[in-house]
Amino acid sequence: AQKITQTQPGMFVQEKEAVTLDCTYDTSDPSYGLFWYKQPSSGEMIFLIYQGSYDQQNATEGRYSLNFQKARKSANLVISASQLGDSAMYFCAMREGTTGGFKTIFGAGTRLFVKA
Amino acid sequence: NAGVTQTPKFRILKIGQSMTLQCTQDMNHNYMYWYRQDPGMGLKLIYYSVGAGITDKGEVPNGYNVSRSTTEDFPLRLELAAPSQTSVYFCASSQRYLSSYNEQFFGPGTRLTVL
Repeated sequence: AQKITQTQPGMFVQEKEAVTLDCTYDTSDPSYGLFWYKQPSSGEMIFLIYQGSYDQQNATEGRYSLNFQKARKSANLVISASQLGDSAMYFCAMREGTTGGFKTIFGAGTRLFVKA
Repeated sequence: NAGVTQTPKFRILKIGQSMTLQCTQDMNHNYMYWYRQDPGMGLKLIYYSVGAGITDKGEVPNGYNVSRSTTEDFPLRLELAAPSQTSVYFCASSQRYLSSYNEQFFGPGTRLTVL
């Protein structure tokens, strides 16, 4: 069964430092996509980064990178040079590409606090 | 493009009442989704649709119904509202193929309270 796990309910990081948010997943579908979203206190969902199961390289988008370890079924988000505006909830999500019917499910989220 | 729009933004229901949450997207996306987000929690998939006339249950479908008569619209129906359905409801849409360009686009959410 499709499953996403985020084990860190909350994380603190000092401004300008890097932080890693953990995400593990479980699927039997060989084709899947992994997404990270940011949800600030205003409530909207902001797409950050995507990793496909067949992608050979780890995805990067500006200060965001995804540490994709397929054998371990993990897709951790790394935020470099944290900023105060990074304080938010972060959600990992997975969409199965074939057997799962393309539905997308989310993890429970990690709340990140950036300290000045 | 307006993206994904949801109405209403806020609603208070009494126990046992019914209502429909509206969702419309203008990006010609095949896939549409309904999620609920309880306070301090992640998003739970209620129903999703891979195209007009095709819907399927997600993780928490009980107490809800959906229909997809057009590509653009994906309304969520609550019958006999219960306090457990107090939540923020998000509608989302995406294209079919898995790629870095096909993330889900979310609506602004509907905050529903059942008293």
